[in-house]
Amino acid sequence: DIQMTQSPSSLSASVGDRVTITCRASQSISNYLNWYQQRAGRAPKLLIYGTSNLPSGAPSRFVGSGSGTDFTLTISSLQPEDFATYYCQQSYITPGTFGQGTKVEIK
Amino acid sequence: EVQLVESGGGLTQPGGSLRLSCAVSGFSVNNNHMTWVRQAPGKGLEWVSVLFAAGNIDHADSVKGRFTISRDSSKNTLYLQMNSLRAEDTAVYYCARITMTVYNWFDPWGQGTLVTVSS
Repeated sequence: DIQMTQSPSSLSASVGDRVTITCRASQSISNYLNWYQQRAGRAPKLLIYGTSNLPSGAPSRFVGSGSGTDFTLTISSLQPEDFATYYCQQSYITPGTFGQGTKVEIK
Repeated sequence: EVQLVESGGGLTQPGGSLRLSCAVSGFSVNNNHMTWVRQAPGKGLEWVSVLFAAGNIDHADSVKGRFTISRDSSKNTLYLQMNSLRAEDTAVYYCARITMTVYNWFDPWGQGTLVTVSS
């Protein structure tokens, strides 16, 4: 199985901050990496697919990058609605395993 | 409008059974790949089961032999039959569609249904 490891597990930031979350795969997954956002008490929501592609409606302040085993999700300017938990998911081997999550909290 | 609505969760004793339903509107469960993902209280996401459009299925090792995924095209509904339930199966269970193109991803997701296994 491919293991996905996110860092940090949590972080505190202020509105307007630039935030970066890292995801590492236990083996190369090319660019088969997705990101999901989960607000408190809500279902996860697709945020980025294929490392850097935004689905329709996703804000452009979310930027994904990386390849192979190392990936990042950057929020260029944190907004109030961005306080949530973020999960990476490898889709190299279907159906795909998730990282443990990164909780973004208000500073 | 594309929508997934789960139901069937509740409280059951260890060793018990439950059947979860995921009622789908806006697309056909028969022509799409579908999956169940669970989230234990305060924990992360864990993939549980997948049913591909062609009919082949797979389950996580943690539920293999106890859970079965299926679909009813006449009701446009996805199911998860859960037997021999354990305390560690306590979680919110989400259904989702898997889109498979060059890449693949889970979207959309249902709102989830809570399963509690406790004596």
